[in-house]
Amino acid sequence: DAGVIQSPRHEVTEMGQEVTLRCKPISGHDYLFWYRQTMMRGLELLIYFNNNVPIDDSGMPEDRFSAKMPNASFSTLKIQPSEPRDSAVYFCASSLRNTLADTQYFGPGTRLTVL
Amino acid sequence: SQQGEEDPQALSIQEGENATMNCSYKTSINNLQWYRQNSGRGLVHLILIRSNEREKHSGRLRVTLDTSKKSSSLLITASRAADTASYFCATVAPASGGSYIPTFGRGTSLIVHP
Repeated sequence: DAGVIQSPRHEVTEMGQEVTLRCKPISGHDYLFWYRQTMMRGLELLIYFNNNVPIDDSGMPEDRFSAKMPNASFSTLKIQPSEPRDSAVYFCASSLRNTLADTQYFGPGTRLTVL
Repeated sequence: SQQGEEDPQALSIQEGENATMNCSYKTSINNLQWYRQNSGRGLVHLILIRSNEREKHSGRLRVTLDTSKKSSSLLITASRAADTASYFCATVAPASGGSYIPTFGRGTSLIVHP
């Protein structure tokens, strides 16, 4: 398996523009997670899905952020409109199930810079 | 918050030395995991230790867990330059809806000088 795939790897945009980040989880994994990593706040869980259904989006910072998972092999995280403080590395991760024995598999991340 | 906190924030050692990183947390957990992150990459799972375990080994890695002190340590023996990375602990306990979601600390940045 190719692992978790994220695109783009780097995104530079201007304030106010819409940004869409994409993720393909590992085939057969039931859970998908979106994280944001910054120096100031570390690794924050934004939202996670179980079988394509959003379970907990309490980590989504504002209404400008939205995430979807239309099918088992694809998820998007959208920021509209983007702001400079959204600059961070965004990670997608997936896990097979959600038992205590399961671990998360992370994608390479998307480095977002909002000017 | 049950977020783990790693200590030290940064560690610089010479190749061949041992590296010890610590993680403390505040609430009861079901298990604790350690992950590694190379610069510019995603996190990679290293080892999982359950709350009823005290020690676990994997190659040059040794993890201990002391639930009475709410702390864990990761020891890397005979370190190599390739071990240079950030190391994160993640505590796992039931979240809303019965899911088990790991909560990550801020990490320890390890530099191993050749």
